[in-house]
Amino acid sequence: DAGVIQSPRHEVTEMGQEVTLRCKPISGHNSLFWYRQTMMRGLELLIYFNNNVPIDDSGMPEDRFSAKMPNASFSTLKIQPSEPRDSAVYFCASSLKGGQPQHFGDGTRLSIL
Amino acid sequence: AQSVTQPDIHITVSEGASLELRCNYSYGATPYLFWYVQSPGQGLQLLLKYFSGDTLVQGIKGFEAEFKRSQSSFNLRKPSVHWSDAAEYFCAVVATDSGYALNFGKGTSLLVTP
Repeated sequence: DAGVIQSPRHEVTEMGQEVTLRCKPISGHNSLFWYRQTMMRGLELLIYFNNNVPIDDSGMPEDRFSAKMPNASFSTLKIQPSEPRDSAVYFCASSLKGGQPQHFGDGTRLSIL
Repeated sequence: AQSVTQPDIHITVSEGASLELRCNYSYGATPYLFWYVQSPGQGLQLLLKYFSGDTLVQGIKGFEAEFKRSQSSFNLRKPSVHWSDAAEYFCAVVATDSGYALNFGKGTSLLVTP
């Protein structure tokens, strides 16, 4: 079975540029999560969708961050404009429903120069 | 709000020795608890979970964990560590007040020596 698929695996760009991270959840999973991992702050939830609807976006750092889930099989996390402090590994995870174990993608390692 | 504490940032064990990684949680009701493992450059892989019932849960790769309500703990154990177990281990609790997102501990880095 295909797991959670994230793209790109690595992204290096200059500050001020727009960055778009993509995620394809496991088919049939109704919940989708975006996390950010840094050395300083560990793993932090950014936003959570249930049935394509954003449920909790309180973890989104600021207005430069936005996330969408136009359908059950695709989600994007966009940063515009990007800043060096956004450098991190961004993970997407999905679960069958809320509370069930989450399955993680391999992450996108983002470097903003 | 739910929180998770992993007191040990780094742990070193010899191959073949037993392992226990500590995890304490803060939550008013019965939590949903998880252990994940992360190898370098990889995503997180679920080792085991506890929702209810038997407080000793078995997971993959020979790991087990025991839920102790009186101690608010969910420690991960393995009787004999293999070199391939070297990785970062995360304990997590479901945050039911924020739509079932995971609250992670800071992680414990496991080093296995020959």
